[in-house]
Amino acid sequence: ETGVTQTPRHLVMGMTNKKSLKCEQHLGHNAMYWYKQSAKKPLELMFVYNFKEQTENNSVPSRFSPECPNSSHLFLHLHTLQPEDSALYLCASSHSAGGWAGNTIYFGEGSWLTVV
Amino acid sequence: ELKVEQNPLFLSMQEGKNYTIYCNYSTTSDRLYWYRQDPGKSLESLFVLLSNGAVKQEGRLMASLDTKARLSTLHITAAVHDLSATYFCAVDEGYNTNAGKSTFGDGTTLTVKP
Repeated sequence: ETGVTQTPRHLVMGMTNKKSLKCEQHLGHNAMYWYKQSAKKPLELMFVYNFKEQTENNSVPSRFSPECPNSSHLFLHLHTLQPEDSALYLCASSHSAGGWAGNTIYFGEGSWLTVV
Repeated sequence: ELKVEQNPLFLSMQEGKNYTIYCNYSTTSDRLYWYRQDPGKSLESLFVLLSNGAVKQEGRLMASLDTKARLSTLHITAAVHDLSATYFCAVDEGYNTNAGKSTFGDGTTLTVKP
């Protein structure tokens, strides 16, 4: 139990489908993140939300659309994905999106996405 | 562009031995993190290093940071099988920035053999 819960844990979708990944944190944090972890590539930061406002979009293609309705929930809406988008998508949260001593990032278990 | 390089990428060691994983980064930063990831699992925060000369220890793992050399080390003492995992370092770019933006290394996959 990490305090950051992601659903679904596994998702297979066609290139024309629309699906969403959901993340919920129970830690009272104000910042939430989406990361992509592909085989043979470093973990990539995709989006940062701080107090529900997007503060970072790391040049992510528009077929990935994040949504943060409140500080506890974060979604990643997926549409017209490509097979190369298959990866582990990790959600994370921290007290805030600032770099200070107590600002440890807590990761969820991840959602394994396969695009066929 | 911030680059974070870890070496080695793969490490096989025997129980009871000591070894060091290195993390080099390319631009100024005063925040470096070490994470552990078990196969099929999420990342677990191990250490947050916030200043030059910072040293933190937890069990058989000790991490240090040299911001002048842009180098962090993760030292493993008397390895045990339970330490088998992939270890990532991550660096936030700049000083006192508020973006919380981390760039990750490729990870070091550690296998500890009896």
